[in-house]
Amino acid sequence: AQSVTQLGSHVSVSEGALVLLRCNYSSSVPPYLFWYVQYPNQGLQLLLKYTSAATLVKGINGFEAEFKKSETSFHLTKPSAHMSDAAEYFCAVSDLGNYQLIWGAGTKLIIKP
Amino acid sequence: SQTIHQWPATLVQPVGSPLSLECTVEGTSNPNLYWYRQAAGRGLQLLFYSVGIGQISSEVPQNLSASRPQDRQFILSSKKLLLSDSGFYLCAWSGGNEQFFGPGTRLTVL
Repeated sequence: AQSVTQLGSHVSVSEGALVLLRCNYSSSVPPYLFWYVQYPNQGLQLLLKYTSAATLVKGINGFEAEFKKSETSFHLTKPSAHMSDAAEYFCAVSDLGNYQLIWGAGTKLIIKP
Repeated sequence: SQTIHQWPATLVQPVGSPLSLECTVEGTSNPNLYWYRQAAGRGLQLLFYSVGIGQISSEVPQNLSASRPQDRQFILSSKKLLLSDSGFYLCAWSGGNEQFFGPGTRLTVL
């Protein structure tokens, strides 16, 4: 069965520093991959998605993620953190033709001033 | 464009009382619909999903139930709430692979 691992339940970075949130999936077949962001007491918002068109995917708010098949990874990055990036981030994967998503446990991003 | 609504936004209910949370989607037809729960400090737990009217799949056995009386309406219910039902309930829809989420309902059971 598919699984998604997000390394680190909490990640703390200084404002202006690089943000790196890690996500690894278990499938041997390249699936669809997603990153979502959740601000406190709000629903999840799609940040970006990988659908096999390009390995480097750009999303909203300056975030991007790179799909690496050999490492089964889809890490999320942002060159310079802003205070407004403080939120919880979820990685998810779906199989082709399967309308369910397998979710990671989430990573809470903390931005230090 | 598509929008998804959930209500109420916040709910405080006593143990043993009934529950009804409603989710509606606008701007799309025949969506897949999902109910998730986030308990404090925990990730997303899929509770139910539906691929069509009257078609409900349950992912976790519990005292909750779901119904889909209309194409774009999804209802989460309980006859008797437990303390462990407290959490943040999210409805989502999809027409392809990605899911789009509603604003959520914060349920506190006392």
